[in-house]
Amino acid sequence: DAKTTQPPSMDCAEGRAANLPCNHSTISGNEYVYWYRQIHSQGPQYIIHGLKNNETNEMASLIITEDRKSSTLILPHATLRDTAVYYCIVRFYNQGGKLIFGQGTELSVKP
Amino acid sequence: DTAVSQTPKYLVTQMGNDKSIKCEQNLGHDTMYWYKQDSKKFLKIMFSYNNKELIINETVPNRFSPKSPDKAHLNLHINSLELGDSAVYFCASRPLAGEGDTQYFGPGTRLTVL
Repeated sequence: DAKTTQPPSMDCAEGRAANLPCNHSTISGNEYVYWYRQIHSQGPQYIIHGLKNNETNEMASLIITEDRKSSTLILPHATLRDTAVYYCIVRFYNQGGKLIFGQGTELSVKP
Repeated sequence: DTAVSQTPKYLVTQMGNDKSIKCEQNLGHDTMYWYKQDSKKFLKIMFSYNNKELIINETVPNRFSPKSPDKAHLNLHINSLELGDSAVYFCASRPLAGEGDTQYFGPGTRLTVL
């Protein structure tokens, strides 16, 4: 699995957009970008995934650069409940195997 | 209507004891996992079972023995507990290949070995 690099921590004001970057310069052509988050003391939660096109769901948007070497997770209107560690993971779709978690980005949403 | 449940939520025990953690999913998924999150918050895969068959074993000491009585359950038995086993253990499940790739995690079991 390709490795990812994320900033260890970020702050965001409540109600503003939170933009979480991820670098994955060694991603291969068939690997997807996945985002999970872990709210304190809870199990990780799936957010979104994508291959090359931008994706949006009810939780977030995922913007993947054209060369696929980096991506940004966008929480359009962050709330206090979005305070969590956000993990960017690259892997093959339906690989059936493990998720390899890095250190993630600890996002603090402040009032 | 909990999707992935684990029992117990907290487990405090003495070194050398044997303990089990149970996991059940009611999602109809075929693949289940155990992950370990240590004190530094790193999450690592331990095991994966697909329809009761072991498919991933990440060089976990053989004191750890997963057991899957049916595809809805994946239990983790730990023999001769050591201080370093203290961690939060998460169970997860995933649908059959071709039906989605999202892993659904349980709430975790915090194991403390004294």
